[in-house]
Amino acid sequence: EAQVTQNPRYLITVTGKKLTVTCSQNMNHEYMSWYRQDPGLGLRQIYYSMNVEVTDKGDVPEGYKVSRKEKRNFPLILESPSPNQTSLYFCASSSQGAGGTEAFFGQGTRLTVV
Amino acid sequence: EDKVVQSPLSLVVHEGDTVTLNCSYEVTNFRSLLWYKQEKKAPTFLFMLTSSGIEKKSGRLSSILDKKELSSILNITATQTGDSAIYLCAASNNAGNMLTFGGGTRLMVKP
Repeated sequence: EAQVTQNPRYLITVTGKKLTVTCSQNMNHEYMSWYRQDPGLGLRQIYYSMNVEVTDKGDVPEGYKVSRKEKRNFPLILESPSPNQTSLYFCASSSQGAGGTEAFFGQGTRLTVV
Repeated sequence: EDKVVQSPLSLVVHEGDTVTLNCSYEVTNFRSLLWYKQEKKAPTFLFMLTSSGIEKKSGRLSSILDKKELSSILNITATQTGDSAIYLCAASNNAGNMLTFGGGTRLMVKP
């Protein structure tokens, strides 16, 4: 089954404690992206990757890092989380870049930073 | 800066009503406009529009793009309670790297 898998689904952490949210897709998609969703703001793009070893900032990259060492994986790293990073995070992948075809979304990770 | 705006923010209707959701965009080197439905979890794909004036249809849902007005509408006819969701509109650029989402329209369909 074609899918994007995020882990964990829920996470409560303390300010400053480094964390990683994993994302893996099994569709051999070149394009992957991370979004955060906050009430009334829709989804905002954090980082994206056009292919292995090619990553770039989206609209809200501050406080986040990513890496793309393999095609299937695109982890999101919060080196020193702060309460304003409390949000719902989605990873997505697609075969023809952003908007070239439908994007497949993971189930989301609800992060709370206290 | 690219921008997508959706209206209304929220909408409450009764089963059987027809609704129209609006999306306007300002995107440099526009490529496509996409509609997604979001219930309790991940957004699910509805439509992708690239050409102006060509309606896309899936059951009771339809959508059309107007490149002159930089806008799109999503119509839902004979609404059902299962249509209750947040509807998201997103626009992409020609570089294929960025997808800009609107804030969404929250639709509630009452029995």
